[in-house]
Amino acid sequence: DAGITQSPRHKVTETGTPVTLRCHQTENHRYMYWYRQDPGHGLRLIHYSYGVKDTDKGEVSDGYSVSRSKTEDFLLTLESATSSQTSVYFCAIRPTGIVDGYTFGSGTRLTVV
Amino acid sequence: GQQVMQIPQYQHVQEGEDFTTYCNSSTTLSNIQWYKQRPGGHPVFLIQLVKSGEVKKQKRLTFQFGEAKKNSSLHITATQTTDVGTYFCAAIIQGAQKLVFGQGTRLTINP
Repeated sequence: DAGITQSPRHKVTETGTPVTLRCHQTENHRYMYWYRQDPGHGLRLIHYSYGVKDTDKGEVSDGYSVSRSKTEDFLLTLESATSSQTSVYFCAIRPTGIVDGYTFGSGTRLTVV
Repeated sequence: GQQVMQIPQYQHVQEGEDFTTYCNSSTTLSNIQWYKQRPGGHPVFLIQLVKSGEVKKQKRLTFQFGEAKKNSSLHITATQTTDVGTYFCAAIIQGAQKLVFGQGTRLTINP
């Protein structure tokens, strides 16, 4: 959908292990975002990036880090996964048009056991 | 914390009935966006409202932005089974380049 892909689509990992999720875009957009979605909470922003090596925290950033070494890739890392990080993770890109909404990837369903 | 509150959290209707979800903020919003997420899918952008009192329509969907730019609503007339999903409002936080979402309203429909 609009040149944004997430990988993996599903992952099961053990508590305490590191996990990296990848978001790849083909449209050269400056802004990229990571959200998590949990029942009753909607979508909550974890981190976002406004350029290569330029990132900032969202409202639920504890336990997560991000990196953006290339325009097209935005990585989300859980340094030591916990069960509370079991969630669906969505990456999004922000188009440059004034009236265009964000475009979301298909999501990664992460289960921490 | 969440700066955009959305109600109701769930709504179940009979096919053909109308549906409305409401979004409220304690602060003035520069704009508001609406998204739809089908079950098992990802959020898809529907529309953006910018002007005070703005009303926009997309077929059976009517979107409104309050006069004070602190609330918004989405109304669906004569629901169809294809309307099933979760509807989210979202607002750009003033001065920051990030979108904050309401909790969403999950719509289910009895055919």
